[in-house]
Amino acid sequence: AQKVTQAQTEISVVEKEDVTLDCVYETRDTTYYLFWYKQPPSGELVFLIRRNSFDEQNEISGRYSWNFQKSTSSFNFTITASQVVDSAVYFCALSQDTGRRALTFGSGTRLQVQP
Amino acid sequence: ETGVTQSPTHLIKTRGQQVTLRCSSQSGHNTVSWYQQALGQGPQFIFQYYREEENGRGNFPPRFSGLQFPNYSSELNVNALELDDSALYLCASSLAKGQGRHGELFFGEGSRLTVL
Repeated sequence: AQKVTQAQTEISVVEKEDVTLDCVYETRDTTYYLFWYKQPPSGELVFLIRRNSFDEQNEISGRYSWNFQKSTSSFNFTITASQVVDSAVYFCALSQDTGRRALTFGSGTRLQVQP
Repeated sequence: ETGVTQSPTHLIKTRGQQVTLRCSSQSGHNTVSWYQQALGQGPQFIFQYYREEENGRGNFPPRFSGLQFPNYSSELNVNALELDDSALYLCASSLAKGQGRHGELFFGEGSRLTVL
């Protein structure tokens, strides 16, 4: 069985602060994929990043960075110099490497960035 | 490029009724997945369709059923509605395994169902 835990229900920061969203996962598979999705108030989930289980390199994309640590089963997401537009619910998700592309989502972290 | 569109955006039903939700997938995408998102929770996988056949199912009872049409659009049907079916229903389109990036789903804005 797969499980994704996002222990932080809600985080509030002031604009320009850095913020890290935590994600811990459980799986028995040796090959799997991890994701982060953003859900703005409009409702649709927006893909941010995918990482496969064999690639532990950290990734940076603009103000976003991701830290994948297999040893601790964590895939954390950091926003540097947060902006009001970053306010949304962020979901971490896990998928097996099978033909069926079902994602197991965490319960999400609501990020509020205050001006 | 046309994105994923869902209809209706909001609807209210009563217990025991049936509902049909519709989804038009992103242009060129041949796989459609449906997710249920209860308030304050993460989305839960209902099922996936590829080439008009169900290609995987989550932990949902048979009263949740679906269809995929030749143009890859899809429907989600829920019979005998229960109060706990109140949720945001999200449709996501993607390419099949080997045709695109695994897990990169393109979501619609959802249909919010309220069951009274």
